[in-house]
Amino acid sequence: KAGVTQTPRYLIKTRGQQVTLSCSPISGHRSVSWYQQTPGQGLQFLFEYFSETQRNKGNFPGRFSGRQFSNSRSEMNVSTLELGDSALYLCASSGGDRDTEAFFGQGTRLTVV
Amino acid sequence: GNSVTQMEGPVTLSEEAFLTINCTYTATGYPSLFWYVQYPGEGLQLLLKATKADDKGSNKGFEATYRKETTSFHLEKGSVQVSDSAVYFCALIGGSYIPTFGRGTSLIVHP
Repeated sequence: KAGVTQTPRYLIKTRGQQVTLSCSPISGHRSVSWYQQTPGQGLQFLFEYFSETQRNKGNFPGRFSGRQFSNSRSEMNVSTLELGDSALYLCASSGGDRDTEAFFGQGTRLTVV
Repeated sequence: GNSVTQMEGPVTLSEEAFLTINCTYTATGYPSLFWYVQYPGEGLQLLLKATKADDKGSNKGFEATYRKETTSFHLEKGSVQVSDSAVYFCALIGGSYIPTFGRGTSLIVHP
């Protein structure tokens, strides 16, 4: 079956702009999580959506937001971009249970200039 | 809150050497434990998992045992290959369903 698809793969934005990233989970998966990966901070949890509702949220400012659609596809939005937002953004999908494996996409590399 | 601590990298080994990457965790209750691997330019892939104490996860020659008494989940492989060069992440999921990842350990295997 098709894996987790993230689009776009690469993105360059200017400070102050906003950006929307997309994630299509594996068919049948209802949970989608977003992570920010940077060399300095490692892998940090942003938020998780389950059946169109935000179920969990990490410690990121309100500029980071997301949503999930009825087909489980998810989008993440970052407003008023800062240089420090440059990172690899990873999306993971799973069935939503605690013991189930999370499948990761290849990520979107965001560069803010 | 939950936390995962991994040994600092990079770990540099020669092909066919024995590998150990240490991982310890702090969590309430009985979390599930995972090892993920990330190859250059890729997302994370699940390598193995264990869901209860004394369980051993294994895959592709890698093994890790869930040790509740020492709150550890060390990754081992008896004979590494150049193709094992990657970044390895230890992770746990507790009752909150929020996965907690370690900082990752880079493994470099030389021929």
